[in-house]
Amino acid sequence: DAGVTQSPTHLIKTRGQHVTLRCSPISGHKSVSWYQQVLGQGPQFIFQYYEKEERGRGNFPDRFSARQFPNYSSELNVNALLLGDSALYLCASSLAPTDTQYFGPGTRLTVL
Amino acid sequence: QKEVEQDPGPLSVPEGAIVSLNCTYSNSAFQYFMWYRQYSRKGPELLMYTYSSGNKEDGRFTAQVDKSSKYISLFIRDSQPSDSATYLCAMTQPTGANNLFFGTGTRLTIIP
Repeated sequence: DAGVTQSPTHLIKTRGQHVTLRCSPISGHKSVSWYQQVLGQGPQFIFQYYEKEERGRGNFPDRFSARQFPNYSSELNVNALLLGDSALYLCASSLAPTDTQYFGPGTRLTVL
Repeated sequence: QKEVEQDPGPLSVPEGAIVSLNCTYSNSAFQYFMWYRQYSRKGPELLMYTYSSGNKEDGRFTAQVDKSSKYISLFIRDSQPSDSATYLCAMTQPTGANNLFFGTGTRLTIIP
């Protein structure tokens, strides 16, 4: 079975631009969570979605938004990019919100 | 004070040694505890998952949780060069969004 997949693998943007990151969960998993991992730090929680509804949101500005589609895939959108948004963005899927989370390989975003 | 504290290392040990990795936490509501392994430029991979206090063993890996001291450990026996990675502790409480709280990660190198 395929694991969590994310696209693109790498992305380079300039300050002020907008970015969309995509995630496909493990087959059968209905919950998707997004995390930001800055170099040298542990991942920080951004959002969790379950059955297309937002279940939780971390301490991130409104420039960050997400949604989940009927097939349980998800998009993370970041507007007005800042240099500090440069990080590895990780998607994790689980059967349900309180179940074990399995991570994808991440999308490495560089903001210049 | 961060909710989860983890010594970032780096930690270097010879092949075959026993490795001890540790995290402390401040939120007594945490009940689920995990260890993830992350290779360079990859997503975290779940190694161990434990609930509440006690020990759990899986092959060369043993996870320990001491809720009274708010302290968790991961032991690696007969360490191998392939164990060289960053080890992240993570924990969560059984309510709401189940967002994971991570330590900063300990970078481990096993020297052949």
